Amino acid sequence: DGGITQSPKYLFRKEGQNVTLSCEQNLNHDAMYWYRQDPGQGLRLIYYSQIVNDFQKGDIAEGYSVSREKKESFPLTVTSAQKNPTAFYLCASSIMRGSHNEQFFGPGTRLTVL
Amino acid sequence: KNEVEQSPQNLTAQEGEFITINCSYSVGISALHWLQQHPGGGIVSLFMLSSGKKKHGRLIATINIQEKHSSLHITASHPRDSAVYICALNFGNEKLTFGTGTRLTIIP
Repeated sequence: DGGITQSPKYLFRKEGQNVTLSCEQNLNHDAMYWYRQDPGQGLRLIYYSQIVNDFQKGDIAEGYSVSREKKESFPLTVTSAQKNPTAFYLCASSIMRGSHNEQFFGPGTRLTVL
Repeated sequence: KNEVEQSPQNLTAQEGEFITINCSYSVGISALHWLQQHPGGGIVSLFMLSSGKKKHGRLIATINIQEKHSSLHITASHPRDSAVYICALNFGNEKLTFGTGTRLTIIP
């Protein structure tokens, strides 16, 4: 079955620790994305990558870092510099259909920083 | 400035009712997406449309490009339809802009 996996589903960390969230896709999509979701707000783009070994900052990249060493994998590191890291994190991948970008989402990781 | 507005924010209805969720936007787009987010958090893409109307089962999505407005309809609603429905805009590149969602609760 093709899809996007994120692990773990729930993650707890102490304040000041870096934490890495996993995202893997076997859809053979070139583009991958990380979003953050907070209550009452729409999804906000953290980072995205259109191709291996290349990525761009989204709207709220401060305090986060990513890598794209393989097409299938796009891990997100939440660093201690992120002021309010507790949130729901969603990974997505996409295929361009003409001029339309159809995105497929993973199940998400809920990060709680204590 | 919100480029995309959804209404209502919350909607509670009885099982069997016809449901309408609205999405308005302020700038030109290449496509509009309707997404469904269940309580567990995962998101499923329901529709991607750039004109007219699409139907899948009990779900119907329409878009009026001139009025910059889209609606998602659910016929014969069921408790399993309870979810957050999100409108997202595509401007012809790789990014999406998301609405804040409409929380739908269907009571048996």
